[in-house]
Amino acid sequence: DQQVKQNSPSLSVQEGRISILNCDYTNSMFDYFLWYKKYPAEGPTFLISISSIKDKNEDGRFTVFLNKSAKHLSLHIVPSQPGDSAVYFCAASAMTGANNLFFGTGTRLTVIP
Amino acid sequence: NAGVTQTPKFQVLKTGQSMTLQCAQDMNHNSMYWYRQDPGMGLRLIYYSASEGTTDKGEVPNGYNVSRLNKREFSLRLESAAPSQTSVYFCASTFTSGSGETQYFGPGTRLLVL
Repeated sequence: DQQVKQNSPSLSVQEGRISILNCDYTNSMFDYFLWYKKYPAEGPTFLISISSIKDKNEDGRFTVFLNKSAKHLSLHIVPSQPGDSAVYFCAASAMTGANNLFFGTGTRLTVIP
Repeated sequence: NAGVTQTPKFQVLKTGQSMTLQCAQDMNHNSMYWYRQDPGMGLRLIYYSASEGTTDKGEVPNGYNVSRLNKREFSLRLESAAPSQTSVYFCASTFTSGSGETQYFGPGTRLLVL
């Protein structure tokens, strides 16, 4: 049973516009959330994270929002650039218990020049 | 500082053959992981090692074995490869902060089992 879900397999956005990638989770024990970016033939690279004590974390063009009551997080990229075209994975973990991550199935972002 | 390295990058096996995927990290991380990535499935955890000398099963351990040789190295072995094990395999190691754990990934090993 998928505990972390990314319901949009793909997203296309014009260069300069905002990209919004969404992620939902089911396990209320999750308290740390991450976004990874993956280019073809490379491993995922860490992008940004947020702990459950916050509802927003910003790093340059990337902002992650967390809505704990809805068990939903989103990644905003603004402005979007062609180099942002990649697959984005959402991941979640719980500080207690086994220290591993649960990943969503990914969203392929295409930024159109 | 190479981060997480994996060998080989690509391998073709026949059904029933065995092989070992190698992974090493130079970041002095305690925890290491093996994942497989299949189309439409995201990354699924095969095995992990929370510290040197310990290993635990993840979500999809069947058909695999692991060895945490030392703090740096964590290998994944397929004793008798099956076509269902055709996948891309990623090794990762973990940095722990006060907020949580961030995993850093290797470049992957693409395995094709015929």
